[in-house]
Amino acid sequence: QKEVEQNSGPLSVPEGAIASLNCTYSDRGSQSFFWYRQYSGKSPELIMFIYSNGDKEDGRFTAQLNKASQYVSLLIRDSQPSDSATYLCAVHAGGTSYGKLTFGQGTILTVHP
Amino acid sequence: DAGVTQSPTHLIKTRGQQVTLRCSPISGHKSVSWYQQVLGQGPQFIFQYYEKEERGRGNFPDRFSARQFPNYSSELNVNALLLGDSALYLCASSLGLINQPQHFGDGTRLSIL
Repeated sequence: QKEVEQNSGPLSVPEGAIASLNCTYSDRGSQSFFWYRQYSGKSPELIMFIYSNGDKEDGRFTAQLNKASQYVSLLIRDSQPSDSATYLCAVHAGGTSYGKLTFGQGTILTVHP
Repeated sequence: DAGVTQSPTHLIKTRGQQVTLRCSPISGHKSVSWYQQVLGQGPQFIFQYYEKEERGRGNFPDRFSARQFPNYSSELNVNALLLGDSALYLCASSLGLINQPQHFGDGTRLSIL
């Protein structure tokens, strides 16, 4: 079992729709969770982070965390063609892992006009 | 404010050579982490340095080494380059050691011929 798994893509949604990206993790002791957006040929850009169970909203983005189910998701409302990118879920285990982030393989999102 | 800066942007080496990659963190950030990203995968953790000390090491051979300087900048060294070392090398900085959002630089794209 991979440490961090993301829903298989690619994911295609029409402009204006809600895009739902999902991620599960294996280490029950994981403490913090991050979503990065990566455009083709570019480096990852931090878009959301969440530490506690529940929802966290920032503009069109909502991160959801359920530690009991070891599940974290990212919702993008009113999706725009500029949201087309690879979305990376990253998990920090904490403890002696210090700052190590473990990434999923990424989900490619395409928003079509 | 300047983000994380990495140099060089691109590098072409041949097998067996050695390479040094450089990173300057965001002002005020004391932690620097290095990641390797190959095409189609999420970044893989190589090292984390905090206050000039190594605080984490990923599953990479001893050919990989790094250090952090008093001004918190960092270098990643790779010896005896192999074809499989071709990748995007990413540097990320964060304020602290644990549970802090990490911000990535633009990366160094290393090609081994």
